[in-house]
Amino acid sequence: NAGVTQTPKFQVLKTGQSMTLQCAQDMNHEYMSWYRQDPGMGLRLIHYSVGAGITDQGEVPNGYNVSRSTTEDFPLRLLSAAPSQTSVYFCASSQAQGENSNQPQHFGDGTRLSIL
Amino acid sequence: SQKIEQNSEALNIQEGKTATLTCNYTNYSPAYLQWYRQDPGRGPVFLLLIRENEKEKRKERLKVTFDTTLKQSLFHITASQPADSATYLCALGLPHAGKSTFGDGTTLTVKP
Repeated sequence: NAGVTQTPKFQVLKTGQSMTLQCAQDMNHEYMSWYRQDPGMGLRLIHYSVGAGITDQGEVPNGYNVSRSTTEDFPLRLLSAAPSQTSVYFCASSQAQGENSNQPQHFGDGTRLSIL
Repeated sequence: SQKIEQNSEALNIQEGKTATLTCNYTNYSPAYLQWYRQDPGRGPVFLLLIRENEKEKRKERLKVTFDTTLKQSLFHITASQPADSATYLCALGLPHAGKSTFGDGTTLTVKP
């Protein structure tokens, strides 16, 4: 199993450009999330999904869109890149979290994004 | 507002000693707490989970405690090794929420 795969690993954009960060998982996990991590800081939740066709906003959703058309894929779109969006982006997946079973998240290795 | 604090940005200890990392939270009633390890340039890797009705969890040299009265979790690494050097993140979650909230992390350096 590849686990969680993120592409690209590195990207440089100019202000105003748009792009899509790809995330795919092969573990048949229902839950998927996107986080950003800035230097010396923890992970901040951008958007998340509890299943195909269902998405919701996290802590810092502005400037980003997501969709979940399949269980495997959860792309993150930057609509009009801004320097404040320079960060490392992590995608994570986990099994559905029931009342008495709390599943760990599996992370990809991130996309390092610079906005000039 | 909800807040998660990890005791310090950096912790330096000598090889063989026990490392103790702290995770405090406010305005939050989590159902569970998780600890992750993150190496430079890599994504976080899950280590341990402890539920609100559990006091302590162990896995090899790792031990986690969870005190819902103090709103605190302690993460211990006994007989620490240089290979344990990494950033450790705590995360809080609610049932059926589908998401977790992470602390800023503590960077542990174990010196030989």
